[in-house]
Amino acid sequence: DAGVIQSPRHEVTEMGQEVTLRCKPISGHNSLFWYRQTMMRGLELLIYFNNNVPIDDSGMPEDRFSAKMPNASFSTLKIQPSEPRDSAVYFCASTRTGASEAFFGQGTRLTVV
Amino acid sequence: QKEVEQNSGPLSVPEGAIASLNCTYSDRGSQSFFWYRQYSGKSPELIMSIYSNGDKEDGRFTAQLNKASQYVSLLIRDSQPSDSATYLCAVNRSGGYNKLIFGAGTRLAVHP
Repeated sequence: DAGVIQSPRHEVTEMGQEVTLRCKPISGHNSLFWYRQTMMRGLELLIYFNNNVPIDDSGMPEDRFSAKMPNASFSTLKIQPSEPRDSAVYFCASTRTGASEAFFGQGTRLTVV
Repeated sequence: QKEVEQNSGPLSVPEGAIASLNCTYSDRGSQSFFWYRQYSGKSPELIMSIYSNGDKEDGRFTAQLNKASQYVSLLIRDSQPSDSATYLCAVNRSGGYNKLIFGAGTRLAVHP
């Protein structure tokens, strides 16, 4: 099992540009989470999906953020337009229904300059 | 009030001592509780899960849960320098779907 796979690992972009982060969950896992981690705010839950359906997006900070899960093996988190305060590490995690233990990808370190 | 609260530390303990990490949560209906370890620059990794009141032991780690007090703790016996990391408490809120909420984490430093 390859684990949760995120891409890219690092992203540096200019303010105002669109950024797309990608995640492939563990096969057979049907819950997927997007988190953002900063020194100031810790690990914040942005949105989570169950069976490809967004269940709770109350953590998405602004309309500039959007997330999709078109199928069971792929999800994207998009920021448009990006701002310097979006700089953080973004993690994707997945789990199985009935099991609460979540497994994390390696994260994407986003820097917006 | 934050949903999951932890002392940010750093908690400094000598090698071989017991490290005690604490966590409180606000949702009384929470059902599942987890401790994750995160090394600097790495992703969180699950080290313990606990679902019922009492203690659960796994090697040098013991998780303790008290739902009445809404309190979770992690004890690390015989602490090693390799245990130096940030420890994140996570709570699965009630409501039917998995919704994992994390505390800000406690940084542990084990010195030789």
